[in-house]
Amino acid sequence: DIQLTQSPSFLSASVGDRVTITCRASQGISSYLAWYQQKPGKAPKLLIYAASTLQSGVPSRFSGSGSGTEFTLTISSLQPEDFATYYCQQLNSYPFMYTFGQGTKLEIK
Amino acid sequence: EVQLVESGGGLVQPGGSLRLSCAASGFTFSNYVMSWVRQAPGKGLEWVSSLIGSGAATYYADSVKGRFTISRDNSRNTVYLLMDSLRAEDTATYYCARPTDYGGTYGLDVWGQGTTVTVSS
Repeated sequence: DIQLTQSPSFLSASVGDRVTITCRASQGISSYLAWYQQKPGKAPKLLIYAASTLQSGVPSRFSGSGSGTEFTLTISSLQPEDFATYYCQQLNSYPFMYTFGQGTKLEIK
Repeated sequence: EVQLVESGGGLVQPGGSLRLSCAASGFTFSNYVMSWVRQAPGKGLEWVSSLIGSGAATYYADSVKGRFTISRDNSRNTVYLLMDSLRAEDTATYYCARPTDYGGTYGLDVWGQGTTVTVSS
């Protein structure tokens, strides 16, 4: 099975900072990767799909890149509402598998 | 409005069974792969199961294979998760989710509010 490893697991940053979260897949997954933001007590929110496509309504300070086994989520200038936990997810259709990374908790410094 | 509403969670003893439901509205339900994702208290997201629009193909995480059964009723716009032989480690909030695309490879953009399952004696 394909495993996803996010780094770092915890990240402390300040408003206005540029931050990058990495997601590494144990096997190549082309661009079948999505990124989510989750706040406590809420369902996840889709930010990026197909590795680099911004979901409708998501601020342009969020961006994604990568293909194959290494992917990144970048927030160009942190806003107060961005402090949350972020997950990557691979969406392979053959074999069908929707693995999530373990998450990255982004906290206010 | 596109919406998913889960129900059926609760407290169940180890070894017991529970059936979750997810009622969909606001989109052509039968066109979409539908999935269940869970989150144990204080833990990360775990994909549980998915099935294609026709219901003809189903997929499961290894942790639930043989114990959980996903199904759908396209006439009722509802997807189900029948959970048998429940264990303490199945305790979680269970979310129903729909992808952005029919094939399910572009991410899950519609989520329910979640229903909580607690497995305890």
